[in-house]
Amino acid sequence: DAGVIQSPRHEVTEMGQEVTLRCKPISGHDYLFWYRQTMMRGLELLIYFNNNVPIDDSGMPEDRFSAKMPNASFSTLKIQPSEPRDSAVYFCASSFSFPVTHEQYFGPGTRLTVT
Amino acid sequence: SQQGEEDPQALSIQEGENATMNCSYKTSINNLQWYRQNSGRGLVHLILIRSNEREKHSGRLRVTLDTSKKSSSLLITASRAADTASYFCATGAGGTSYGKLTFGQGTILTVHP
Repeated sequence: DAGVIQSPRHEVTEMGQEVTLRCKPISGHDYLFWYRQTMMRGLELLIYFNNNVPIDDSGMPEDRFSAKMPNASFSTLKIQPSEPRDSAVYFCASSFSFPVTHEQYFGPGTRLTVT
Repeated sequence: SQQGEEDPQALSIQEGENATMNCSYKTSINNLQWYRQNSGRGLVHLILIRSNEREKHSGRLRVTLDTSKKSSSLLITASRAADTASYFCATGAGGTSYGKLTFGQGTILTVHP
């Protein structure tokens, strides 16, 4: 398996622009997670899905952030409008509910810079 | 709220020495996992210990869990320069948190050749 795939790997955009991050989880995994990592705040869970249904979005910073999972092999995280404080590395991870320990497999991340 | 808290925040050792990192958590768990993150990369799962286990080994890794103290430690023996990375503990719980892991802030390990 190719592992979790994220695109783009790097994104530089201007404040106010819409940003869309993409993720393809490992085939057969039924959980998908979006994280944000910064030096100041560490690794933060934004939202996670089970069988394409959002389970917990309490980590989404504000209404500017939205995430979708239209099918088992694709998810997007959208920021509209983007702000400089959104600059971070965004990770997607997936896991399988068996065994129940849910080891997570992370993608390489998308480094977002908002100027 | 932060579940896992790693200690120390940074650790610098010489190649061949052992490295010990600690993790404390606040609520009941059903498992605790350790992950490694190399600079500029995603996290990679290293080892898992269940709440009914006290010690686990995997190669040069040894993890212990003390549920009475809500703490865990990760020992890397005979460290190598390639072990230089950030190490995170993550806790898993059941109930409303089923499927979710809560990560700590991490320990930055530097192994000097």
